[in-house]
Amino acid sequence: DSGVTQTPKHLITATGQRVTLRCSPRSGDLSVYWYQQSLDQGLQFLIQYYNGEERAKGNILERFSAQQFPDLHSELNLSSLELGDSALYFCASPGRTQFFGPGTRLTVL
Amino acid sequence: SQQGEEDPQALSIQEGENATMNCSYKTSINNLQWYRQNSGRGLVHLILIRSNEREKHSGRLRVTLDTSKKSSSLLITASRAADTASYFCATENTGANSKLTFGKGITLSVRP
Repeated sequence: DSGVTQTPKHLITATGQRVTLRCSPRSGDLSVYWYQQSLDQGLQFLIQYYNGEERAKGNILERFSAQQFPDLHSELNLSSLELGDSALYFCASPGRTQFFGPGTRLTVL
Repeated sequence: SQQGEEDPQALSIQEGENATMNCSYKTSINNLQWYRQNSGRGLVHLILIRSNEREKHSGRLRVTLDTSKKSSSLLITASRAADTASYFCATENTGANSKLTFGKGITLSVRP
């Protein structure tokens, strides 16, 4: 158990919809990293937050957004979903070596 | 974009054999790391080797790093069926906004 929690484990939705994925980092960790893992693109870094502030941006689509709250949990919002957004979404903390959460498997039908 | 590229993409060996996986990267790095992922689960950090290190061991794992060739290898000795998983190399680039960039992974199957 990495100590990083993610909910939900599975999410099935339709194209055009909006979903929110939630992540809580390990106790004491201030950073949250979001990744998308798909068969064709592999593991792609999306965005990093540190203590509530956006720290780095990767290959994150404009339809996606994230935030980190004062209690340090983070949410990744995915909107106008497309079939190609179906993937595993991971969050990780803290930084140099990362502890990954169990992931949320998103299926867009 | 992928920084690390693992080779081979898939590897199938018999239990007890050694498994060697390679990773090549393109830019200057602070360190290189190997992670393991069991099917559909989160990645687990295995080992980190700094850019000024050439070899590192952890249990049955041995990692080498050749910065002149921008390559690394992960050796798993005396493999077990439980080692079946995907293995990823990740590089932390140098610079102010260093971040980890992962390769696409190697699928290792260890046959009992």
